Amino acid sequence: GESVGLHLPTLSVQEGDNSIINCAYSNSASDYFIWYKQESGKGPQFIIDIRSNMDKRQGQRVTVLLNKTVKHLSLQIAATQPGDSAVYFCAENMVTGGGNKLTFGTGTQLKVEL
Amino acid sequence: DADVTQTPRNRITKTGKRIMLECSQTKGHDRMYWYRQDPGLGLRLIYYSFDVKDINKGEISDGYSVSRQAQAKFSLSLESAIPNQTALYFCATSDPAGTAYNEQFFGPGTRLTVL
Repeated sequence: GESVGLHLPTLSVQEGDNSIINCAYSNSASDYFIWYKQESGKGPQFIIDIRSNMDKRQGQRVTVLLNKTVKHLSLQIAATQPGDSAVYFCAENMVTGGGNKLTFGTGTQLKVEL
Repeated sequence: DADVTQTPRNRITKTGKRIMLECSQTKGHDRMYWYRQDPGLGLRLIYYSFDVKDINKGEISDGYSVSRQAQAKFSLSLESAIPNQTALYFCATSDPAGTAYNEQFFGPGTRLTVL
């Protein structure tokens, strides 16, 4: 029979408003935290990362905040545009063996209303 | 042209069949990864390879195998497909010497349905 997946958390914002997408992580040993954007029908795309010894990093229209005390990560998007509509994933980076690997969260659907 | 390509893009198969999903990249990256994505579950790592001679299991490797034929090619096989392997599969590459240590470059995905 047909399988039913889990419902993605959804954030709806008006065009031009700021968006804040939140993520709780579990591994205190992660050295980097990363945000990815996935548009419909496409693979995820890197947005921004933050090293674990930082609490804030800014990019173009995006800011990532890291609160290690409560293991919380957030992505702020300024002046949200229709092109920002996508699923956003946070990810934790872990160094392993001869390289690194990512563990992804379950994602948040951002919908931008005109 | 796309830097990371996956073939096929869509595949419907039957329980018990052997399936191979292929990934090719022109980015010259040593590191390659296979993920599966299920609705509401994010991406989960199946296998990863840091160079041609290196293969590592991810968090959900049971029922899957991989082959790293060359730096540019990384294939994922389902030896005997089962319905709960129905999912969207992504290949990714990375270059730790690049501008973003954590950036992985994803292919367009393969949608696999096992009946």
